Amino acid sequence: NAGVTQTPKFRILKIGQSMTLQCAQDMNHNYMYWYRQDPGMGLKLIYYSVGAGITDKGEVPNGYNVSRSTTEDFPLRLELAAPSQTSVYFCASTWSMNTEAFFGQGTRLTVV
Amino acid sequence: KNEVEQSPQNLTAQEGEFITINCSYSVGISALHWLQQHPGGGIVSLFMLSSGKKKHGRLIATINIQEKHSSLHITASHPRDSAVYICAVPRDGATNKLIFGTGTLLAVQP
Repeated sequence: NAGVTQTPKFRILKIGQSMTLQCAQDMNHNYMYWYRQDPGMGLKLIYYSVGAGITDKGEVPNGYNVSRSTTEDFPLRLELAAPSQTSVYFCASTWSMNTEAFFGQGTRLTVV
Repeated sequence: KNEVEQSPQNLTAQEGEFITINCSYSVGISALHWLQQHPGGGIVSLFMLSSGKKKHGRLIATINIQEKHSSLHITASHPRDSAVYICAVPRDGATNKLIFGTGTLLAVQP
């Protein structure tokens, strides 16, 4: 199993540009999440999904959008990038509350 | 007061020492995750506990559901154990959204 695969690993964006962070899992997990981690801070939930076709906002959704057209993929879209979106982004998935959570390797994004 | 509290926030140990990191939570349901993050690195799941005790190599995790408390122990610590250790609990069973502790930064010196 590949687990959770995130791409790209690094990216530099200019202010106002857009991009999509890709996240894919091959474990047939229904639950998927996007988090951001600012330097020295904990993980904050951006968006989550409990299954294909279902998404909902987390704590810090402004400036982001997601879609979940398949069980496997959960892309995160940044529209009009801003310096405040400079962060490390993690995608995660899990089968249920009583099973292990799997995290992607992270995407380090810098907006200049 | 944070819903998931970890202690200590920072810990420095000498190689070979026995290490304990504690996690107490006031919300969430009956499961807890221990995660590890090396500096600049990804996040790795160490344990998911819903009762009792689990052991993996030099790592041992225990949980007391009634007291809402968990501990992560590292035996015979090594410099490669230096990382941030994070506990997290699912807020509910419908969404499984995790509530994260603030993390414990462990440095093991040779």
